[in-house]
Amino acid sequence: GAVVSQHPSRVICKSGTSVKIECRSLDFQATTMFWYRQFPKQSLMLMATSNEGSKATYEQGVEKDKFLINHASLTLSTLTVTSAHPEDSSFYICSARGQAGAYNEQFFGPGTRLTVL
Amino acid sequence: GQNIDQPTEMTATEGAIVQINCTYQTSGFNGLFWYQQHAGEAPTFLSYNVLDGLEEKGRFSSFLSRSKGYSYLLLKELQMKDSASYLCAGGATNKLIFGTGTLLAVQP
Repeated sequence: GAVVSQHPSRVICKSGTSVKIECRSLDFQATTMFWYRQFPKQSLMLMATSNEGSKATYEQGVEKDKFLINHASLTLSTLTVTSAHPEDSSFYICSARGQAGAYNEQFFGPGTRLTVL
Repeated sequence: GQNIDQPTEMTATEGAIVQINCTYQTSGFNGLFWYQQHAGEAPTFLSYNVLDGLEEKGRFSSFLSRSKGYSYLLLKELQMKDSASYLCAGGATNKLIFGTGTLLAVQP
């Protein structure tokens, strides 16, 4: 149990285009989902926290108009990178938290590798 | 503020024991997590400590001292597949704050 999926796993896009990444909790209801970004050889940096049906809370320094987050249901959250630029190239990982695990732990998706040309 | 520190890299020998330390300063602390992450993959949960002391789970153990803001992950009987990054994360209010991660290389 407690499986989180992400789609796509890899995406390559041109500079200036927008990219949408989906995060789904497959076998539990995720009251909260988190979006992280990870640059090579660095740790996970939390970008934003989203609760179902409400606006996402963004971490300091993360542009909410550039990284649009929607958490429309208890099993789906989306991250849209708008007007992507090469510096947005990174590994984007979502996690979901619900009642599935002990200690209300976060369950991570497999990540999405974004490359902006 | 939120600050979690770990050594950047460690090297150990197959079959040995290695201890990865983590020091933290987080407000609203509500537990400390350890995750394992292989390159290009998502982190996987290893352990969680909310009270002081040692939690043992097979070859992996995790220790927490809240008064010292200190935790460690102990890996016994190291195997080559244990080569990975180990992330310490502090539970703070409604989210996790991750440390820099420790890249462990297990050598034959």
